[in-house]
Amino acid sequence: GESVGLHLPTLSVQEGDNSIINCAYSNSASDYFIWYKQESGKGPQFIIDIRSNMDKRQGQRVTVLLNKTVKHLSLQIAATQPGDSAVYFCAENLETSGSRLTFGEGTQLTVNP
Amino acid sequence: DTGVSQNPRHKITKRGQNVTFRCDPISEHNRLYWYRQTLGQGPEFLTYFQNEAQLEKSRLLSDRFSAERPKGSFSTLEIQRTEQGDSAMYLCASSLNGASRGYTFGSGTRLTVV
Repeated sequence: GESVGLHLPTLSVQEGDNSIINCAYSNSASDYFIWYKQESGKGPQFIIDIRSNMDKRQGQRVTVLLNKTVKHLSLQIAATQPGDSAVYFCAENLETSGSRLTFGEGTQLTVNP
Repeated sequence: DTGVSQNPRHKITKRGQNVTFRCDPISEHNRLYWYRQTLGQGPEFLTYFQNEAQLEKSRLLSDRFSAERPKGSFSTLEIQRTEQGDSAMYLCASSLNGASRGYTFGSGTRLTVV
């Protein structure tokens, strides 16, 4: 399953499917990006990050893709599990301008068993 | 390392009262950040400290809000004369130097102003 940027904040997939969560970021000068997972009642949990000099980075079951031309990030989750159900946020940072993160809208991922 | 700790987890207060939240960052982290998150939205930056110095404040941080980090370790966020619009989750995060060095969030303090 795949979300469509800021206009579709929910994504429902079957267990075992691959998920793609999309994010449009705002500042073309941002040079560092993070994906966070947030479960109900908890703080954001780091998933994976990527610097602007890369276009792809892989982790365990997750891959982040960065397209600077269109200011777009995506998070791919392989073999999605019920424990992946959460809200996913992308965040951007411009390191030379300080340490604030600017978060995107978020996507609610629901994994059906 | 127990991560970033925030207290209390929940706070219900009457409008007009003052409230104070505490954040204990990861011990070796020199930067500490405060964010506010309302339901269905991403966290919004409020302010950050490097050691005991408050280096940046968002325009969201009205004069009713004050944050301190007196010894460069734990931090407090105080809201004076609370308003219903202050109801939100207040998140603390810490990192070692820049954003790309272990930016870790706590579980937040949920504030409800009635």
